[in-house]
Amino acid sequence: NAGVTQTPKFQVLKTGQSMTLQCAQDMNHNSMYWYRQDPGMGLRLIYYSASEGTTDKGEVPNGYNVSRLNKREFSLRLESAAPSQTSVYFCASSETGVAGELFFGEGSRLTVL
Amino acid sequence: QKEVEQDPGPLSVPEGAIVSLNCTYSNSAFQYFMWYRQYSRKGPELLMYTYSSGNKEDGRFTAQVDKSSKYISLFIRDSQPSDSATYLCAMSAVNRGSTLGRLYFGRGTQLTVWP
Repeated sequence: NAGVTQTPKFQVLKTGQSMTLQCAQDMNHNSMYWYRQDPGMGLRLIYYSASEGTTDKGEVPNGYNVSRLNKREFSLRLESAAPSQTSVYFCASSETGVAGELFFGEGSRLTVL
Repeated sequence: QKEVEQDPGPLSVPEGAIVSLNCTYSNSAFQYFMWYRQYSRKGPELLMYTYSSGNKEDGRFTAQVDKSSKYISLFIRDSQPSDSATYLCAMSAVNRGSTLGRLYFGRGTQLTVWP
């Protein structure tokens, strides 16, 4: 059972380049999330999807877009990468009606030069 | 003021010590309180989950919530080197029946238990 799978695990971009982080879960969860984790800042919510077909902004959405492709997959896109987006990105999922019990992927480490 | 405050440490203790990790918060609407454990270069995993005030024990781990003081704690008894990780507190203001599991995280406390 893979749980939450993120790709790629590592990526180096130049300023202005675009890329998409992919996330898939096999636990039949309705809700999915994208967080970023920076030293001294903890985990900050970028976007979330409470259910298939819906997406909403979190705490730090600027510079990102998301797509809930189907129930399993939730992607995060950086249209024009900036050095401030250098971070570790985590995708997570949760069951409907269970506040707080998130299952995380192993993270995608992104460096923007 | 950040909604959830957590001392980032680092905290270093000898094997067998009792460890106390703490968070404070400002939003009185928080009802669900969690502790996540994150090993180096891994994603966080849920360790403890409590509702409202009180204590919850699971093996060597005890979570305490004091809503009157807006203060939560995680105690680790007989700490082991395998407990070395970053511990993040997290809180939610939504009801358990909600479709939304939005959390507010502390910055995390880095713990090292040396043999």
